[in-house]
Amino acid sequence: DQQVKQNSPSLSVQEGRISILNCDYTNSMFDYFLWYKKYPAEGPTFLISISSIKDKNEDGRFTVFLNKSAKHLSLHIVPSQPGDSAVYFCAARQPIRETSGSRLTFGEGTQLTVNP
Amino acid sequence: DTGVSQNPRHKITKRGQNVTFRCDPISEHNRLYWYRQTLGQGPEFLTYFQNEAQLEKSRLLSDRFSAERPKGSFSTLEIQRTEQGDSAMYLCASGNRGLFQETQYFGPGTRLLVL
Repeated sequence: DQQVKQNSPSLSVQEGRISILNCDYTNSMFDYFLWYKKYPAEGPTFLISISSIKDKNEDGRFTVFLNKSAKHLSLHIVPSQPGDSAVYFCAARQPIRETSGSRLTFGEGTQLTVNP
Repeated sequence: DTGVSQNPRHKITKRGQNVTFRCDPISEHNRLYWYRQTLGQGPEFLTYFQNEAQLEKSRLLSDRFSAERPKGSFSTLEIQRTEQGDSAMYLCASGNRGLFQETQYFGPGTRLLVL
């Protein structure tokens, strides 16, 4: 079963406008959420995260919102820049019992294209 | 460069051969993870090490797969008797020491193609 879903495989926006990427999850055990950005032939690069006890986290042009009751999170990028064009993955953390580690469950990704 | 490194970056092999990948995590991280990513999907968790101990394995990790982290630093992932379905990007990540808000940092990956 797909516990983390990104329903939009692609999104296209104009430079300077807002990009909104969405993610839904089903597992209530997830306690921490992360967004990663990925360029072709590279590994995912960490972008921003949010704990399940918060509803918003902001870092420069990037803001992540979490709605726990709806099991939904979103990433806002404003203003969008052509260099933001990449695949964005939403990931949810589930602790591994009796250890201090965790496993991440990823969505399928959304290809963002920012047009000049 | 203090990021996660992986070698080789690309590997082409024939079905039935064995392959081994290496991951060097960020030096101060004691947690190391392996993931696999296929086309059009997000990465999928394979296994987790805390220091040299392998503490969690996904059911995706069949008995042809083995991972080690002998000294708690670098790790290797071996696939025996490779199959075409093993073709994927194999990603390694290491985690920082925060207990409640761990962020995993990924390496560039090893892309495997099994012919």
